[in-house]
Amino acid sequence: DTEVTQTPKHLVMGMTNKKSLKCEQHMGHRAMYWYKQKAKKPPELMFVYSYEKLSINESVPSRFSPECPNSSLLNLHLHALQPEDSALYLCASSQDWGAQGYTFGSGTRLTVV
Amino acid sequence: TQLLEQSPQFLSIQEGENLTVYCNSSSVFSSLQWYRQEPGEGPVLLVTVVTGGEVKKLKRLTFQFGDARKDSSLHITAAQPGDTGLYLCAGAPGNKLVFGAGTILRVKS
Repeated sequence: DTEVTQTPKHLVMGMTNKKSLKCEQHMGHRAMYWYKQKAKKPPELMFVYSYEKLSINESVPSRFSPECPNSSLLNLHLHALQPEDSALYLCASSQDWGAQGYTFGSGTRLTVV
Repeated sequence: TQLLEQSPQFLSIQEGENLTVYCNSSSVFSSLQWYRQEPGEGPVLLVTVVTGGEVKKLKRLTFQFGDARKDSSLHITAAQPGDTGLYLCAGAPGNKLVFGAGTILRVKS
């Protein structure tokens, strides 16, 4: 299995909703990442987990809350989002933090209404 | 200011033409990566270049890492409509993978 699987593919949520994005990989990678990508822009790093511990938080607002329940799973909990948070949210993994070559999932297209 | 400057930002060419995309920085990188992303999908790793002056080929794609490890280029020979997509160079200063602004390539048949 050489994939990173993200669910759901599409999500529409209101500003008062609570939802979660899920990411799963079974490649034995010990580093996992959340990126945010706006249309026609490059992905921007949000969080880095290394060996299931949060290693980097790129000053992301607290309405985004990451969680790494085990070495294969990464969640992103969403609460009280704003319309400007609408974007493609990408999960990625790599052998170790700092390893060359990330494997990205297909992303979750999030729309906040 | 972007750490990695990519050019051109947009390229629209006819099938069969050649093209080159550039990725430049004032910083030295231990390695640079190139990704290709199609609409609605995540980036897919094409290649990692590690050694200064290194040249890697992937079918019709040729990647080069500058001697000083501050720049890289991607050359596509005889472009095809299937090459259409967003091409991103990326580097990891301080173990944080950061991307250039990207080059949107459109190949018309």
